Amino acid sequence: KAGVTQTPRYLIKTRGQQVTLSCSPISGHRSVSWYQQTPGQGLQFLFEYFSETQRNKGNFPGRFSGRQFSNSRSEMNVSTLELGDSALYLCASSFTGDELFFGSGTQLSVL
Amino acid sequence: KQEVTQIPAALSVPEGENLVLNCSFTDSAIYNLQWFRQDPGKGLTSLLLIQSSQREQTSGRLNASLDKSSGRSTLYIAASQPGDSATYLCAVTGDYKLSFGAGTTVTVRA
Repeated sequence: KAGVTQTPRYLIKTRGQQVTLSCSPISGHRSVSWYQQTPGQGLQFLFEYFSETQRNKGNFPGRFSGRQFSNSRSEMNVSTLELGDSALYLCASSFTGDELFFGSGTQLSVL
Repeated sequence: KQEVTQIPAALSVPEGENLVLNCSFTDSAIYNLQWFRQDPGKGLTSLLLIQSSQREQTSGRLNASLDKSSGRSTLYIAASQPGDSATYLCAVTGDYKLSFGAGTTVTVRA
């Protein structure tokens, strides 16, 4: 059974640009959540989607947005990139919201 | 707001020794607690999930306990091996949101 797939694996952008990250959950999982991981702040929750609806959102500015499609695949968008957005972005999928399974992440570097 | 603390931040032990990793949380109204392992630059691998109604879970050399009333969980790893070297994170789920501890970085010396 395929795991959670995140693309791309690495990304380099410059300040002011925007970026879109993709996450394909495990087949049958309807919940997808996103996290930002940095050495200073650790792992922080961004948002969670279930059946195309955002169920919860963390404390991030409006530049961070997401969506989920009818096939449960999810995308995360960050607009007007800042240096501080450099991080490992992880997505996780779950069948009901209980046990979470993580992808390998997208390492974003903002120059 | 849920606060999750993991102590110690780092641990170094000789191969064969048992590992004890601690996790504490401030709000006992949780749905479950999950332990993860993370290797450098990689995603998280789920180790054990304990539902709020359970007291412990076991998988091979791993055993995790949960005491909701005191806001604590402990992960035991028996007979540690160099391959157990990684960062271990605990996370608690409440209101569809996961709150993570900062992790304990474990080094098992051969």
